[in-house]
Amino acid sequence: ILNVEQSPQSLHVQEGDSTNFTCSFPSSNFYALHWYRWETAKSPEALFVMTLNGDEKKKGRISATLNTKEGYSYLYIKGSQPEDSATYLCAFERSMDFGNEKLTFGTGTRLTIIP
Amino acid sequence: DAGVTQSPTHLIKTRGQQVTLRCSPISGHKSVSWYQQVLGQGPQFIFQYYEKEERGRGNFPDRFSARQFPNYSSELNVNALLLGDSALYLCASKVAGGFYEQYFGPGTRLTVT
Repeated sequence: ILNVEQSPQSLHVQEGDSTNFTCSFPSSNFYALHWYRWETAKSPEALFVMTLNGDEKKKGRISATLNTKEGYSYLYIKGSQPEDSATYLCAFERSMDFGNEKLTFGTGTRLTIIP
Repeated sequence: DAGVTQSPTHLIKTRGQQVTLRCSPISGHKSVSWYQQVLGQGPQFIFQYYEKEERGRGNFPDRFSARQFPNYSSELNVNALLLGDSALYLCASKVAGGFYEQYFGPGTRLTVT
C-alpha cells in the first residue's frame, strides 16, 4: 500500500503572510509528483508536475520543491490572498504505473486565509 | 477549449440500484481515468482507459465497471449500490503518456440511501 501523507491537515493563515506545507511519498519507484489546488464545488486544478530530484517550479506566488531521494515535496505560498483558500492535494505517480496513469493522493491540506 | 465535463452533477440512488456516470474529456485527450473521493480522504484510483482499452484498475470490487467510446468519452457503472458507494466521482483526462497533468472534471456527487 502506497503511503502519501500531507501535513498539516489544515492551516489558517493571515492575509499577506507566507506559508508552506509538506507532502511525503515513497522514495522508491518514483515517476512524478503532482500538486493540485481544489476549491469547493470546483474541479481540482493542476498546479505542478514535478519529475526530477531538486526540481523547483513556480506559478505566480506559488512554488514547489522536490526531493525524491528522501521522499518529500514542499509547496510554498508567498503573500497569501483570500483566493488562495482551498485544499491543496499532492499525488504520487510510480514508475511501475507508467502507462496506467494511476495517481495516489494524499488527504490534502486545507488552507484558509483570514482577511 | 472546454474542460472535462461530467454528468450528472448530483445523483441520489437507493441501495441495490445501478448507476451510470458520464465523462467527456478535453478535446484531443485520449486517456480517461476515474477516481472516487470519500469525505476526509484523497481521491482513490478506480480505472484508467486509453484508446478504449482498460489500462489500469484500482482496488475496487467487480461491481464497478467502465468503458470508453470511440470519441474518448467514458462511462462508469456501479451495480448493486451500497451505502459506502456514496462519494464524489471524479473523471480526469490526459494527453496519454509522458509528464503531463491530468485534468479533472467537477465530479458527480452520488448519494446512496
